[in-house]
Amino acid sequence: QSVLTQPPSASGTPGQRVTISCSGGSSNIGKNTGNWYQQVPGTAPKLLIYSTNQRPSGVPDRFSGSKSGTSASLAISGLQSEDEADYYCAAWDDSLNGVVFGGGTKLTVL
Amino acid sequence: EVQLVESGGGLVQPGGSLRLSCAASGLSFSSNWMSWVRQAPGKGLEWVANIKQDGSEKYYVDSVKGRFSISRDNVKNSLFLQMNSLRAEDTAMYYCVRGAWGAFHYWGQGTLVTVSS
Repeated sequence: QSVLTQPPSASGTPGQRVTISCSGGSSNIGKNTGNWYQQVPGTAPKLLIYSTNQRPSGVPDRFSGSKSGTSASLAISGLQSEDEADYYCAAWDDSLNGVVFGGGTKLTVL
Repeated sequence: EVQLVESGGGLVQPGGSLRLSCAASGLSFSSNWMSWVRQAPGKGLEWVANIKQDGSEKYYVDSVKGRFSISRDNVKNSLFLQMNSLRAEDTAMYYCVRGAWGAFHYWGQGTLVTVSS
């Protein structure tokens, strides 16, 4: 069982806006920033969002991040077929002295 | 261009040892915290360990404490993971990543470790 809780699946149709949640606690997301990764099966993960809402160079602005209390969220607007992938949240946990990941959310573009 | 290239994975029997290596290029290796992250087949991501720029601080996930050791050679721009007393549950793809606190900007392609008799 992961320290950070994500829904196992999410779906949307092309053009739609989808949100993926990541629920944590006071020692991780509540105190530190959240980060998001996209992983296409068979490839290495790619950083999508860091420090809650910052996008690395090259990541489209269709991807955005936010945080409220002990939860983080990833929003994808203008959904595209190539967005179909697994998405993971991550944060440093002050109690565990380590990085914790969510269990991952499989996004399907219908 | 940043490149992280892992090596050293393979098939090992339970209780055995392996040493993973990661060759870094295209970044100021000695200026960055570095980490190892693993992914068991069909499962999610799990952070394993990280190491400070000068090697003076190291952190590990509980499940590998006392068995794994992370180290680095800033002259050779290399990161290492010494894995001892390997268990079946250590079977995973191991990724070398730049970063420490959860924001991993660069990832290698991974090296597969299989622990089986």
